[in-house]
Amino acid sequence: EAGVAQSPRYKIIEKRQSVAFWCNPISGHATLYWYQQILGQGPKLLIQFQNNGVVDDSQLPKDRFSAERLKGVDSTLKIQPAKLEDSAVYLCASSSLRNTEAFFGQGTRLTVV
Amino acid sequence: QKEVEQDPGPLSVPEGAIVSLNCTYSNSAFQYFMWYRQYSRKGPELLMYTYSSGNKEDGRFTAQVDKSSKYISLFIRDSQPSDSATYLCATETGANNLFFGTGTRLTVIP
Repeated sequence: EAGVAQSPRYKIIEKRQSVAFWCNPISGHATLYWYQQILGQGPKLLIQFQNNGVVDDSQLPKDRFSAERLKGVDSTLKIQPAKLEDSAVYLCASSSLRNTEAFFGQGTRLTVV
Repeated sequence: QKEVEQDPGPLSVPEGAIVSLNCTYSNSAFQYFMWYRQYSRKGPELLMYTYSSGNKEDGRFTAQVDKSSKYISLFIRDSQPSDSATYLCATETGANNLFFGTGTRLTVIP
């Protein structure tokens, strides 16, 4: 079974630039999560989708972050404009409806300079 | 108050030692309890998964949940250098909304 795929693995941008991350969840997984993990901290949920609908985006900074999951499969997370404090690893995870175990991708390490 | 509190460590133990990792949580609605292991520059991987109170054993790993005190533990027996990683506890209510602790960084010294 293929795991959660994320790209790119690394990204360096200047502040005020925009950036986008892509995630392909495990086939058949209805639930998709985006987490932000700042160095030395646990992952923090940014947004949760079930199929192509948003379940929870209460911690998403909506003035600069946006996410979509078209057709209930792949997802993109965008930051525009980026700030220095956005430097973190952005993790995508997915789970099935019947099993709440979440499987994570390797993450995208973002550095904002 | 954070949903899940975890001592960040770091924790260093000699090879073969028993390791005890702990978390506390605040929301009594949490029903599912997980431990994830995260190696450097990798995503978290699920290690143990338990529902409600009790113990669950898998090889050298034992997960323990005490809902009365809102306390979660992970024990590693006969620790190995390959166990060196960050261990994250996580909880959820059953609505697929995971809350993570900050992670405890463990180093097992050969």
